[in-house]
Amino acid sequence: GAVVSQHPSRVICKSGTSVKIECRSLDFQATTMFWYRQFPKQSLMLMATSNEGSKATYEQGVEKDKFLINHASLTLSTLTVTSAHPEDSSFYICSARDPGAPNEQYFGPGTRLTVT
Amino acid sequence: QKEVEQNSGPLSVPEGAIASLNCTYSDRGSQSFFWYRQYSGKSPELIMSIYSNGDKEDGRFTAQLNKASQYVSLLIRDSQPSDSATYLCAAPYSGAGSYQLTFGKGTKLSVIP
Repeated sequence: GAVVSQHPSRVICKSGTSVKIECRSLDFQATTMFWYRQFPKQSLMLMATSNEGSKATYEQGVEKDKFLINHASLTLSTLTVTSAHPEDSSFYICSARDPGAPNEQYFGPGTRLTVT
Repeated sequence: QKEVEQNSGPLSVPEGAIASLNCTYSDRGSQSFFWYRQYSGKSPELIMSIYSNGDKEDGRFTAQLNKASQYVSLLIRDSQPSDSATYLCAAPYSGAGSYQLTFGKGTKLSVIP
């Protein structure tokens, strides 16, 4: 149980375009999902907390107008990187909280974004 | 400031040995702790959770929690080369029901054949 999927696994886009990343909980309903970013050889950085049916809560320093998060259902959250720039190239990972084990988070496989 | 501290390593152990990974945390109110394993280029995978003082064993893994010392450890017995990865310690951030986790920076483990 507690399987989280992400799509796409890799994406290459041109500077100035937007990219949407999907995160799905496959076998449980996730009222809360989280979005992280990880640069090479660095630790996970929490970007935002996504709650179903309400606005996401962004961490300090994360631009909410650049990283749009939508959590429209109990199994799907999306992250859209708008007007992407090369410095946005990173490994984006979502996680979902299993309501049956409230503090446990299960991670998706991640999306590697390259902006050219 | 909620902090979780880990030795970044690298920690090298020979195959078959016991690998010991350590973690300290600052928030005395933390009640649960998690160990994640992250292979290079992959996302973290939850391998152990521990909620009570003492030891919790799962196969070759044993998590140890000492709330008085604010210390969590992970022991890997009979280490295998496939255990080579970065191990992340995490504790919930007790802010307004957010269920966020605070992660340590991770300890890189290398198991030498």
